[in-house]
Amino acid sequence: SQTIHQWPATLVQPVGSPLSLECTVEGTSNPNLYWYRQAAGRGLQLLFYSVGIGQISSEVPQNLSASRPQDRQFILSSKKLLLSDSGFYLCAWLRTPNTEAFFGQGTRLTVV
Amino acid sequence: GENVEQHPSTLSVQEGDSAVIKCTYSDSASNYFPWYKQELGKGPQLIIDIRSNVGEKKDQRIAVTLNKTAKHFSLHITETQPEDSAVYFCAASINFNKFYFGSGTKLNVKP
Repeated sequence: SQTIHQWPATLVQPVGSPLSLECTVEGTSNPNLYWYRQAAGRGLQLLFYSVGIGQISSEVPQNLSASRPQDRQFILSSKKLLLSDSGFYLCAWLRTPNTEAFFGQGTRLTVV
Repeated sequence: GENVEQHPSTLSVQEGDSAVIKCTYSDSASNYFPWYKQELGKGPQLIIDIRSNVGEKKDQRIAVTLNKTAKHFSLHITETQPEDSAVYFCAASINFNKFYFGSGTKLNVKP
């Protein structure tokens, strides 16, 4: 069966520190992968999506970057965190051909 | 890109009553509209979806309607139960490429 893993579940980081969130998918190949951010009391904002290794598209300019070093691995990074980077980050994957999107359990990031 | 608006932001109903959540989208090319339920501290889970070639879809107590002309779609939950309490998100997608979400509706079902 296909599963999506995202870690860590919670993270508290000081302003200016680096960030690395990892997402991996099992049981499938060549998935479309997405990073979303959910700010407190708000909806899901699409940050990045990837259709293959090394292929990253950014939806909004920000302090974050994404990488896809392997087919089933998607990483969200920052060199220097800002207070405004706090939020709930969700990784999602979409198996091709057309099907629903599956979400990881999310990472709650608090920048202090 | 696509812009999805969702209303209301909060909804409180009595157990057994119906709940309706509405969304509008801006890009007429959108052709897939899923609804997600998110419980506290967890990732969203798909509960029902509809494609643009269908006007209505039902799954037990949950139904979704789509009006392509007006570019809006709605989630209907009948006979609500306390376990329906959660945050619900609508989304729109063009060919399953990217998913754009509404801002969410916090549903509270009072026993």
